[in-house]
Amino acid sequence: EVQLVESGGGLVQPGGSLRLSCAASGFTLSDHHMDWVRQAPGKGLEWVGHSRNKANNYTTEYAAPVKGRITISRDDSKNSLYLQMSSLNTEDTAVYYCARVRGGIYYIDYWGQGTLVTVSS
Amino acid sequence: DIQMTQSPSSLSASVGDRVTITCRANQGINNYLAWFQQKPGKAPKPLIYGASSLHSGVPSKFSGSGSGTDFTLTISSLQPEDFATYYCQQYNGFPLTFGGGTKVEIK
Repeated sequence: EVQLVESGGGLVQPGGSLRLSCAASGFTLSDHHMDWVRQAPGKGLEWVGHSRNKANNYTTEYAAPVKGRITISRDDSKNSLYLQMSSLNTEDTAVYYCARVRGGIYYIDYWGQGTLVTVSS
Repeated sequence: DIQMTQSPSSLSASVGDRVTITCRANQGINNYLAWFQQKPGKAPKPLIYGASSLHSGVPSKFSGSGSGTDFTLTISSLQPEDFATYYCQQYNGFPLTFGGGTKVEIK
């Protein structure tokens, strides 16, 4: 069974940093492209970033509002995906979801349960 | 960037109603269009990909159609478990973009 479990969210002060983790099980992470998507309280879904699979050298794409402030990385030995965030501001307050992209068809076919990041002083 | 516009933003419907939600892209997206259902406090769930293909395990009361820039999600007979917010998303190119959502409420 495919599972994605995010962790690492919490309260952080403006200007601070945070690293979110996404533990994958039931499939080999390195075979799949992955996305991070966030949702501010009471708002819609917003794509944050994309990590291509090993065959595509783990290259990445980032949304304009977070580019330069986030880095997506992986640890194949742990079958885990990470989202490193820095220079956080109140507009980054959201539930952050990691999501698997279905191979060959490229839509999101599995979502984690999400982890809440709150940026506040 | 590709803008995705959903309409309506909310609707009220009764159990058994046929419901249609529209999603329009501001440029062609080669049918790389997905639909998701989200209930309060939960992660989104995939319903449709490729504009009209049903994700595994999704009941056939859900259907997607459209091409080019105009797409629709139809629920043939609304059931209590279908009251939720629905999002379209294009995955034709980066940045990936979502529609603003359509909240389906009980009349």
